[in-house]
Amino acid sequence: SAVISQKPSRDICQRGTSLTIQCQVDSQVTMMFWYRQQPGQSLTLIATANQGSEATYESGFVIDKFPISRPNLTFSTLTVSNMSPEDSSIYLCSVEFGSGSSEQYFGPGTRLTVT
Amino acid sequence: KQEVTQIPAALSVPEGENLVLNCSFTDSAIYNLQWFRQDPGKGLTSLLLIQSSQREQTSGRLNASLDKSSGRSTLYIAASQPGDSATYLCAVMSGAQKLVFGQGTRLTINP
Repeated sequence: SAVISQKPSRDICQRGTSLTIQCQVDSQVTMMFWYRQQPGQSLTLIATANQGSEATYESGFVIDKFPISRPNLTFSTLTVSNMSPEDSSIYLCSVEFGSGSSEQYFGPGTRLTVT
Repeated sequence: KQEVTQIPAALSVPEGENLVLNCSFTDSAIYNLQWFRQDPGKGLTSLLLIQSSQREQTSGRLNASLDKSSGRSTLYIAASQPGDSATYLCAVMSGAQKLVFGQGTRLTINP
């Protein structure tokens, strides 16, 4: 496994603004992912963060709304742009080491409230 | 499209009881199935990973089984403790490292 940290742990933001969430891993990983967990719901995959290239987005999520960066094998950011109250969720990053097991490990999450 | 269902949505049992959580999925073409634990307002902790070729995995008081052909998995918790109280999530990987999650079972163990 690995130590995965996210910043900030929580934030309260005004509608129309943007927030960038950071995910840091203490060792190199092959795959990094971003998920959203809306209140009372389960997790939904937003995108796969690809190192050195554009992220791969799932249906219903677009780059203009959720731009993602992954400059190296230990770090990624997710920006929630032009926020509305519907964006209030927990945002989680996860990683996979590529050891063959495909087991994913999750960060502690960022709780976002948009007012 | 893969869909994952967990039953029951909530479960409350007295301390010391053995219990079973259920997970079903619609597409049996999976790579693996993973059980997670989520404490309120927190991230996910991986409990057990079962590869598609495996039938079960055990870790301490936890045992997870997988019947791929019928699209079912169970998580068995022995001798439950109040510290086991959490939401338990089942997730299947169907391709391209994409995890599809169930809605979770909210478990309460009463002292």
